[in-house]
Amino acid sequence: GENVEQHPSTLSVQEGDSAVIKCTYSDSASNYFPWYKQELGKGPQLIIDIRSNVGEKKDQRIAVTLNKTAKHFSLHITETQPEDSAVYFCAASTDDMRFGAGTRLTVKP
Amino acid sequence: KAGVTQTPRYLIKTRGQQVTLSCSPISGHRSVSWYQQTPGQGLQFLFEYFSETQRNKGNFPGRFSGRQFSNSRSEMNVSTLELGDSALYLCASSLRMGSVNTEAFFGQGTRLTVV
Repeated sequence: GENVEQHPSTLSVQEGDSAVIKCTYSDSASNYFPWYKQELGKGPQLIIDIRSNVGEKKDQRIAVTLNKTAKHFSLHITETQPEDSAVYFCAASTDDMRFGAGTRLTVKP
Repeated sequence: KAGVTQTPRYLIKTRGQQVTLSCSPISGHRSVSWYQQTPGQGLQFLFEYFSETQRNKGNFPGRFSGRQFSNSRSEMNVSTLELGDSALYLCASSLRMGSVNTEAFFGQGTRLTVV
């Protein structure tokens, strides 16, 4: 089955800096790559997603890039704010959805 | 539009007991997936139900089972509980169009503690 690896496991940045989280996947048939943000005591919430026919997608301060050849995709958050502090999960999907282990992002004011 | 509802929010059970968790998906969503979340392990896929049929299954022992009803509500059951089953159990619902995955919406989860 699909195996998703996510790095780093923790990330600390200063407010205003950029943050990058990287994921690799194993199944070349994966065609949908969502990113979720989970705040304390809540379920994960989708923040951005990308399909395999697109190389990059941007939504305000958040962008995701996909390299199908290398089987990796990344989340980029620019101009980070304290409210961006949370755990972020990447996922890759063929028929079912498999998640990375998560990255705890801390944005210091 | 109501979100995904999971009940109960918290449960404490004793080793050896069994437990049933419930998930009501977003209206119109026919796919319900279950995940186990533990610190350091991320979200581990348990199974997915679509139109009352189990569509996919993760690598969990047979003590973990589920079902889906005609109104798309789903339950998961864990029998003979072990201490290691303590976790946050999340369910996610989606439209799922054939084999194409669509956005999954998560509930707040059920926190299960086994003592």
